[in-house]
Amino acid sequence: NAGVTQTPKFQVLKTGQSMTLQCAQDMNHEYMSWYRQDPGMGLRLIHYSVGAGITDQGEVPNGYNVSRSTTEDFPLRLLSAAPSQTSVYFCASSFRTGGSSAGNTIYFGEGSWLTVV
Amino acid sequence: GNSVTQMEGPVTLSEEAFLTINCTYTATGYPSLFWYVQYPGEGLQLLLKATKADDKGSNKGFEATYRKETTSFHLEKGSVQVSDSAVCFCALSDLISGGYNKLIFGAGTRLAVHP
Repeated sequence: NAGVTQTPKFQVLKTGQSMTLQCAQDMNHEYMSWYRQDPGMGLRLIHYSVGAGITDQGEVPNGYNVSRSTTEDFPLRLLSAAPSQTSVYFCASSFRTGGSSAGNTIYFGEGSWLTVV
Repeated sequence: GNSVTQMEGPVTLSEEAFLTINCTYTATGYPSLFWYVQYPGEGLQLLLKATKADDKGSNKGFEATYRKETTSFHLEKGSVQVSDSAVCFCALSDLISGGYNKLIFGAGTRLAVHP
């Protein structure tokens, strides 16, 4: 019953360092995405993928990179961490969410708390 | 663009009190609407959803009705418990490329229930 698994749960980075947040899902979902959560702003979409080899930008993509080599995995890379990237990051997955499937549930991981100093 | 506005918190209630958290939305078309909750130290969980006008979503005693005429999806519960304390997010589905939808979230409302 793993669902969406994110690692690490907590991380402290120094400005300029790079790191990768891992995300894996075992539900064979085609759609995966990354959000960041900031106080008073809800969650905002960073990047998303509708299948292996296909990725696209969301609302706030700058400073982040993604790839989707398998259906299961969707890692998020911070290229050169900045204090503005201090946030809680959520990975999410779903079956098709468009058209008549707009009500399909999007499942979230437990979050990764990142602090950049 | 599409957006979600929800009441600012925190909402502080005594156990067994009635809860309302207001949520209104702006959208073209007819999005699906969701309430997600985040309990302390945990990730987001879907609480309930509604996919068309006049639908009522319900779960764990919580309810919300999709009101197209008032563009609202207010969350209600008749008698809250301490264990309901969480941050509650209202969200709508928004079309992105490739025929998929993303979620647009409100800012979140912290609910604190005291014994």
